[in-house]
Amino acid sequence: GDSVTQTEGLVTVTEGLPVMLNCTYQTAYSDVAFFWYVQYLNEAPKLLLRSSTDNKRTEHQGFHATLHKSSSSFHLQKSSVQLSDSALYYCALWTGGYKVVFGSGTRLLVSP
Amino acid sequence: ETAVFQTPNYHVTQVGNEVSFNCKQTLGHDTMYWYKQDSKKLLKIMFSYNNKQLIVNETVPRRFSPQSSDKAHLNLRIKSVEPEDSAVYLCASSLGQGAYEQYFGPGTRLTVL
Repeated sequence: GDSVTQTEGLVTVTEGLPVMLNCTYQTAYSDVAFFWYVQYLNEAPKLLLRSSTDNKRTEHQGFHATLHKSSSSFHLQKSSVQLSDSALYYCALWTGGYKVVFGSGTRLLVSP
Repeated sequence: ETAVFQTPNYHVTQVGNEVSFNCKQTLGHDTMYWYKQDSKKLLKIMFSYNNKQLIVNETVPRRFSPQSSDKAHLNLRIKSVEPEDSAVYLCASSLGQGAYEQYFGPGTRLTVL
């Protein structure tokens, strides 16, 4: 079946430094879409980024991600993190069916 | 205000009791979902409805039953709760089935003693 892997449970970064949160996937389908959702403490998850175009960079709120079908990846990056970026980040995959598969989540902790 | 609303925010109950959670969306969406977010923050889909019709029914215990009166409402009943049901239950909605953004409600935190 389809799966999404986020290898890091916790990523700790110093404010002002870059960060990359990994997301890889497995699917037999070619018509796919990817999402990054962010969940701040005591809040609901909300959409950060969405992409379905191979090798096209998508940006929002200073974060960016590029879908690479050749490596089955959709990593999330930011060039300079802020304290307010501390949150739980989910990568998610849609494969043309009725549901979206979520990864296990990566907690980003930004320290001063 | 257009959003996804859930009640109650919290619920504490004893093993074996029945509980019901409500979800309403005022976004005009056709599709609604129930997710379970466990203590490790794993987010697992349980059910999905499109225009009141059940379209996704993941492998969940039979004591869980969703109910939809119209496309704006999706409730969840748990007949006889177990300790492992302790979690946050998140309701979400999207414009339709497929690669649409999902809008999540604030969640209902269930604690089973």
